[in-house]
Formats: sequence, C-alpha cells, structure tokens
Amino acid sequence: DIQMTQSPSSLSASLGERVSLTCRASQDIGSSLNWLQQEPDGTIKRLIYATSSLDSGVPKRFSGSRSGSDYSLTISSLESEDFVDYYCLQYASSPLTFGAGTKLELK
Amino acid sequence: QVQLQQPGAELVKPGASVKMSCKASGYTFTSYNMHWVKQTPGQGLEWIGAIYPGNGDTSYNQKFKGKATLTADKSSSTAYMQLSSLTSEDSAVYYCAREDYWGQGTTLTVSS
Repeated sequence: DIQMTQSPSSLSASLGERVSLTCRASQDIGSSLNWLQQEPDGTIKRLIYATSSLDSGVPKRFSGSRSGSDYSLTISSLESEDFVDYYCLQYASSPLTFGAGTKLELK
Repeated sequence: QVQLQQPGAELVKPGASVKMSCKASGYTFTSYNMHWVKQTPGQGLEWIGAIYPGNGDTSYNQKFKGKATLTADKSSSTAYMQLSSLTSEDSAVYYCAREDYWGQGTTLTVSS
C-alpha cells in the first residue's frame, strides 16, 4: 500500500497568515492526489483534485502543488473558517490511502 | 445539486450485521463510482472499497474483504454497505463518497 505521510499533525497560526501543509508519498502517485477539509461536525469537502485543480466554489486562497513526491496545500491568508482539519488522499493505486491529517488551530 | 444522504446513526449488537445506506440524488447514479470510507480516532480515514453502480463492479481494500460487502440499487439510486460479524473495532463513522462529494456519515456503534 502507498503510505501518505502528512505533516505537521497540528499547526497553530494566526488570521491572515500563509501556511502550507505537506503530504509525502511512499511511491510514485503522479498527480493523483486530492486535498480534503473536514469540519468539526464531520462534514468533508474536497478542496483540490489532481494535485492542483481547485474545486468549484473553493476560495482562491487555497492552492495545491507538487515537488517530487511532496504534495502541498497552501492557504495564502487564513480566515476564521479555515481552522479545521485537512487530509490528503492518493488515488493512484488501490487501496486508496489517506494522510493522517493536519489540525489547523488559531493561535 | 449532488446529495448523498446517510442515516445519522446505527446501534447494533456484537456479532450482528448491519446494512448502511447512501441515497444519491442530483446526478446520474450509474455513472460514478461510490466509495465507502471508515473513520476512527485511532486509524484515521481508511478506504473500504468502491462500487460502480452502472454494472455492479466492486473493488475492495484487502483489509476489509470478508467484512464489507458493497451493493447498489439502481432503481432507488441507493448504495449499500453491509458489515458482518460486528465487533467493537467496527464502531466508527462511515462515509459514502463520490469522487468529489461526500455524505454526512453514519456513526456506527457496536454495543450490547
């Protein structure tokens, strides 16, 4: 199975700050990576698909990129509603696998 | 708009089975895979498997073979996941998801 190592597990940041979260893939996954956002009530929403494509309706402060086997989600200027949990998901190979998540906390 | 409706909770006794539902609306049910995902505090998010309702083809995570069975009813646009021989390890939140939309999740509690 492909392991997705997500870091950091938690991140404390301020409103307006720029932050980046990272997932490292244990094998080549090409561009087959999504970023998901989970609200405290459990609601899950896809933000980014295919590494860097923004889902419809997702604010442009979210962006995705890749450098080798490292995949990043960047939030350019944090807003209050961004302080929730984030997960990466690889779908290049079965079984699909997730990162362990990043909890974004307000400093 | 795409919606995936799941019951909020299920309470089942150890050793029993449960069949969870996911009713799809707002799109052509038979044209998209339906995935099922388990979430627990300890293991995080785990992909259980997927079904293509158009022809019933399924794909499972080896870890869940023998535990989960995925089916789909085209007439009601509903996907189902049956979990068998339940133990406390099966207590979790279970999500159905199209590639881009997720249901709200069903909280399964296995308890006597």
